[in-house]
Amino acid sequence: DTAVSQTPKYLVTQMGNDKSIKCEQNLGHDTMYWYKQDSKKFLKIMFSYNNKELIINETVPNRFSPKSPDKAHLNLHINSLELGDSAVYFCASSRTSGRVNEQFFGPGTRLTVL
Amino acid sequence: DAKTTQPTSMDCAEGRAANLPCNHSTISGNEYVYWYRQIHSQGPQYIIHGLKNNETNEMASLIITEDRKSSTLILPHATLRDTAVYYCIVRLLQGAQKLVFGQGTRLTINP
Repeated sequence: DTAVSQTPKYLVTQMGNDKSIKCEQNLGHDTMYWYKQDSKKFLKIMFSYNNKELIINETVPNRFSPKSPDKAHLNLHINSLELGDSAVYFCASSRTSGRVNEQFFGPGTRLTVL
Repeated sequence: DAKTTQPTSMDCAEGRAANLPCNHSTISGNEYVYWYRQIHSQGPQYIIHGLKNNETNEMASLIITEDRKSSTLILPHATLRDTAVYYCIVRLLQGAQKLVFGQGTRLTINP
């Protein structure tokens, strides 16, 4: 009964490749997020989707393209991977109209670009 | 988003209360104080949040000063499993608000 799940957990790939990370939440939330945690451990928002619509798009290279096929899924596709893309990527979800509106995070996907 | 400042690191003995301070002097009237923590290699985990009154739940207590410019997260009986980075974040309650993480406080619980 995992709340927010991500696949894969680890991803090792070569520079220049294209890869995708998948995220699913079974909490019935209406908003999903992607965060990036770099090697210095700073966590930064990348994107947010509310009811399948993109509402937050921080300064992220165009090589990153999120896709939300439905409210329960938010995938992240990365083109032409670069060394600097190596990081841990966390997916999160929330119910924006709730009393608490806390975000639930997935376990993370550790991406290593060689 | 209002900025927060926290000590970089703290130590606490197992079984004692851990008190983690946070300054948020530029917080606006409708912003809440949220606390999250990140245990090594895991995703961040929500702990507690509050507006101006003190709050308590099964995990922790949150004390917010009357002027709301600072707060303290209290873990009443710290265990080794509470070793983590603790983040204090201010944000609006409603809407798809991004969480702006600072450096947080690395709390180490010692046996």
